Amino acid sequence: QMQLVESGGGVVQPGKSLRLSCEASGFNFRSFGIHWVRQAPGRGLEWVATISFDGGKRYYADSVKGRFTISRDNSINTVNLQMKSLRPEDTAIYYCTKDHSTTWQQIFDFWGQGTLVTVSS
Amino acid sequence: DMQMTQSPSSLSASVGDRVTITCRASQGINEYLAWYQQKPGKVPTLLIYGASTLQSGVPSRFSGSGSGTDFTLTITSLQPEDVATYYCQKYNSAPFTFGPGTKVEI
Repeated sequence: QMQLVESGGGVVQPGKSLRLSCEASGFNFRSFGIHWVRQAPGRGLEWVATISFDGGKRYYADSVKGRFTISRDNSINTVNLQMKSLRPEDTAIYYCTKDHSTTWQQIFDFWGQGTLVTVSS
Repeated sequence: DMQMTQSPSSLSASVGDRVTITCRASQGINEYLAWYQQKPGKVPTLLIYGASTLQSGVPSRFSGSGSGTDFTLTITSLQPEDVATYYCQKYNSAPFTFGPGTKVEI
């Protein structure tokens, strides 16, 4: 049974850092790209970051570029999102999602339940 | 950066109605478009990719069409369980932008 379990969310002050983790199981993790998508309260979906199956390629939304870093450790089936210089507008549910294909198409075919990040003083 | 727009932003229809949602890309994206459904309080799910390919397990009343800049998602016979917000997403190149969403109510 495929699973993506996010952790690491919480309340953090503006300017501080937080690291989210996504632990995967039930599929051949090292063959698939992984993505983070966020959703601010009552708002739409926003793609945040993407990492290829081997970690060799990474892409970021302009809104987080230079502040967020995505990484993965295929030995423990985990993707991390290191978030620095957090802003109130980063407040959102952060979803970890799996790519639809081993050819890395950036289609999000399976989603975790999400972890809530609240940036507030 | 490219923009994705959707229309309408919301709609109300009756059970059994045919519903059409439009997604427009500000630049051509061939058929690199996906549609997602997010039911209230739930996680999004993939409905369609490649503009018209139905994801496994998705009911056949859902269909997608289009290419280039203009795309549509059609529900041929709206069901109560289709109440949700629907998002399009481009994936031809980064950024992999979502549309603003269309809320479907009954």
